[in-house]
Amino acid sequence: KQEVTQIPAALSVPEGENLVLNCSFTDSAIYNLQWFRQDPGKGLTSLLLIQSSQREQTSGRLNASLDKSSGRSTLYIAASQPGDSATYLCAVRPSGTYKYIFGTGTRLKVLA
Amino acid sequence: NAGVTQTPKFRVLKTGQSMTLLCAQDMNHEYMYWYRQDPGMGLRLIHYSVGEGTTAKGEVPDGYNVSRLKKQNFLLGLESAAPSQTSVYFCATRQTEPDTQYFGPGTRLTVL
Repeated sequence: KQEVTQIPAALSVPEGENLVLNCSFTDSAIYNLQWFRQDPGKGLTSLLLIQSSQREQTSGRLNASLDKSSGRSTLYIAASQPGDSATYLCAVRPSGTYKYIFGTGTRLKVLA
Repeated sequence: NAGVTQTPKFRVLKTGQSMTLLCAQDMNHEYMYWYRQDPGMGLRLIHYSVGEGTTAKGEVPDGYNVSRLKKQNFLLGLESAAPSQTSVYFCATRQTEPDTQYFGPGTRLTVL
């Protein structure tokens, strides 16, 4: 059974710092992996999608990497800003399914 | 273009009462999903649909029923609410290319 874990559960950093969020999954048979952002009391917004054949994707200050063989993905945020404060979730889509398995998220606080 | 909308936004039920949550989308997506989000548990898939007239069970389907009579609507029903169903419920649609999920704003349900 696929399980997705995100560590740490919470993180506080000063503004301007570069940071890395981690996501690990137990079964490497995935179709893709996505990173989402969730603001308090809101729904999720897709940030980056990495197909199983890709190693990384970039969007602005965000860079996501995927190492399928080791069951790991990282989300790198450059030059963090207070507006980046939110919960970040990763989700994998196991091969052969239309379902997504979500991690429990990392709650990020960027201090001004 | 409203995207994904959910009705109602908040609801309080007594144990044993029934209710229906409505998810509506205007993006013409085939796939729709119902999740629940609980503290420390991440998002868990309740039921999903791969097209009009179809439904399938997710990870935690017990106590819930769904219907997809029209492509744009996905209904989640609770026949006899229990305190364990207190949660925030999210509806999502899936765009196939690129493979991206779009989430509604959520429904906060409390069962007393």
